[in-house]
Amino acid sequence: NAGVTQTPKFRVLKTGQSMTLLCAQDMNHEYMYWYRQDPGMGLRLIHYSVGEGTTAKGEVPDGYNVSRLKKQNFLLGLESAAPSQTSVYFCASSPRFGAEQYFGPGTRLTVT
Amino acid sequence: EDQVTQSPEALRLQEGESSSLNCSYTVSGLRGLFWYRQDPGKGPEFLFTLYSAGEEKEKERLKATLTKKESFLHITAPKPEDSATYLCAVPTNTDKLIFGTGTRLQVFP
Repeated sequence: NAGVTQTPKFRVLKTGQSMTLLCAQDMNHEYMYWYRQDPGMGLRLIHYSVGEGTTAKGEVPDGYNVSRLKKQNFLLGLESAAPSQTSVYFCASSPRFGAEQYFGPGTRLTVT
Repeated sequence: EDQVTQSPEALRLQEGESSSLNCSYTVSGLRGLFWYRQDPGKGPEFLFTLYSAGEEKEKERLKATLTKKESFLHITAPKPEDSATYLCAVPTNTDKLIFGTGTRLQVFP
């Protein structure tokens, strides 16, 4: 099992450009999450999904959109990137409500 | 307000020097507490789940304990390969995890 995978690993965008981050999991987990991690601020939840076809806002959703068309995939989109979105993005999945989450390796995004 | 606080922010140990990391929390109705290890440039790696006060879990040189207000991660005779950032997290009643900002552990030979 690969667990949770993320693509790409690194990306540099110019302000105003758009991109999509892909997360895939092969553990048949219902719940999936997108976080950003910034120095001194810890992990902050952007959006999450409790099952195929569902999405919900987390702590810092502004400027991001998500989709969960297939159970194993969770996409994070930036429609118009801003320098404030420079961060490391992590995807995670969980088998059930309130359970431990398993994380991917992360995507380092720089917006200039 | 649900909150997780970890201390210290950073800890430097000599190889073999045992110590403890603290995670204190305030949450309505604790439904578990999770410990993770994060190496530089990588995603958090799940270590332990603790569900009730008095519970203990062990893995190699690590032992996690839980009280009604805090959790400790005890590191016995650490080695340089134990160097990492250790995160704790608790689930809220809306199925989100609240993470602490972590303790950065450095173990020197």
